Amino acid sequence: NAGVTQTPKFQVLKTGQSMTLQCAQDMNHNSMYWYRQDPGMGLRLIYYSASEGTTDKGEVPNGYNVSRLNKREFSLRLESAAPSQTSVYFCASSQGGRYEQFFGPGTRLTVL
Amino acid sequence: QKEVEQNSGPLSVPEGAIASLNCTYSDRVSQSFFWYRQYSGKSPELIMSIYSNGDKEDGRFTAQLNKASQYVSLLIRDSQPSDSATYLCAVDSWGKFQFGAGTQVVVTP
Repeated sequence: NAGVTQTPKFQVLKTGQSMTLQCAQDMNHNSMYWYRQDPGMGLRLIYYSASEGTTDKGEVPNGYNVSRLNKREFSLRLESAAPSQTSVYFCASSQGGRYEQFFGPGTRLTVL
Repeated sequence: QKEVEQNSGPLSVPEGAIASLNCTYSDRVSQSFFWYRQYSGKSPELIMSIYSNGDKEDGRFTAQLNKASQYVSLLIRDSQPSDSATYLCAVDSWGKFQFGAGTQVVVTP
């Protein structure tokens, strides 16, 4: 049981490049989430998917897009990376809204 | 005003003592409350969840919830150096999770 997995673990991009962060869970959870974590800012929700086939914006969605590929997988895409998107990105999953979330190991992204 | 507030710390605690962490939240309809531990460079891991007023104990950890005061706390008894981490409070309001910025705890030998 791997839980929540994320790829890649580290990534360096140049301004304007694009990339996709991958996330998968094997807990049969309905809901999946993407967060970014910056020093002193805590975890901020970028996008979430309450169930397969739905996605919604969170607190900081600008510059990102998401795809809920199936129940297991939820990807985050940066179309044109900016230095302000340098952060640690966490994917999480849960049974549903009021239940605990379980986190993946994170992706450390640096945009130069 | 942040929706979930925590003292950032650091909270320095002697080994073997009790660490007391506090969290306040602004949304009165919040239903579910969680404490996560995050080691430096790692992802948050769930320690406790609490849904009703009162205390909930799990090993050396006790979560306390007071919905009337919009307050949730975490006590760590017999603190160990391995408890040195940042502790995140999370509050769910109708499916919307809000995290506090975290309290850094440093357990000193």
